[in-house]
Amino acid sequence: DQQVKQNSPSLSVQEGRISILNCDYTNSMFDYFLWYKKYPAEGPTFLISISSIKDKNEDGRFTVFLNKSAKHLSLHIVPSQPGDSAVYFCAASGEGNDMRFGAGTRLTVKP
Amino acid sequence: KAGVTQTPRYLIKTRGQQVTLSCSPISGHRSVSWYQQTPGQGLQFLFEYFSETQRNKGNFPGRFSGRQFSNSRSEMNVSTLELGDSALYLCASSLGGGWYGYTFGSGTRLTVV
Repeated sequence: DQQVKQNSPSLSVQEGRISILNCDYTNSMFDYFLWYKKYPAEGPTFLISISSIKDKNEDGRFTVFLNKSAKHLSLHIVPSQPGDSAVYFCAASGEGNDMRFGAGTRLTVKP
Repeated sequence: KAGVTQTPRYLIKTRGQQVTLSCSPISGHRSVSWYQQTPGQGLQFLFEYFSETQRNKGNFPGRFSGRQFSNSRSEMNVSTLELGDSALYLCASSLGGGWYGYTFGSGTRLTVV
């Protein structure tokens, strides 16, 4: 059951431009959302999160936006750097305490 | 502070065999979750253990099982292996679950031949 969906398997942007990664969810009980970044042969690492009481959270070059009515969140990376090239996973958690992940989006930032 | 340790890193098994994977969480973390990662499917949730009890379970067949010990270390077992079980198995530990954030291990790469 794909409760968290990332419909774009890949995204390519030029260095210095904005990267926008999107994520949709179906379970209205989710109240905490996270983005993880994964390099090959490593486990995912936490990037940024947002709770359902907010609609925006910013951390340096990374900003996450949450639209609860649309059940949609996005991650903006500005400016994008080649080191940002990785697979990005969107995740959501609710009262059940478990965390559900999307299929991931492979971001490639070209120099 | 030691991270999440998964052993072994790589494993090759034959169809029909069974396998046990191990995960040692960060000290003090009581929640351990297991995920299967395959290309195109992302991270599929297997189960979550908290204080030795399975608290949540994903949609995997009964061939996939797990347990957690009193020291919070966890094991995952897959019986009667199938070719489709080939994947990266990731373990994540947390203080108490999703709201506390997860720290992932590097995973165990299982290949079934």
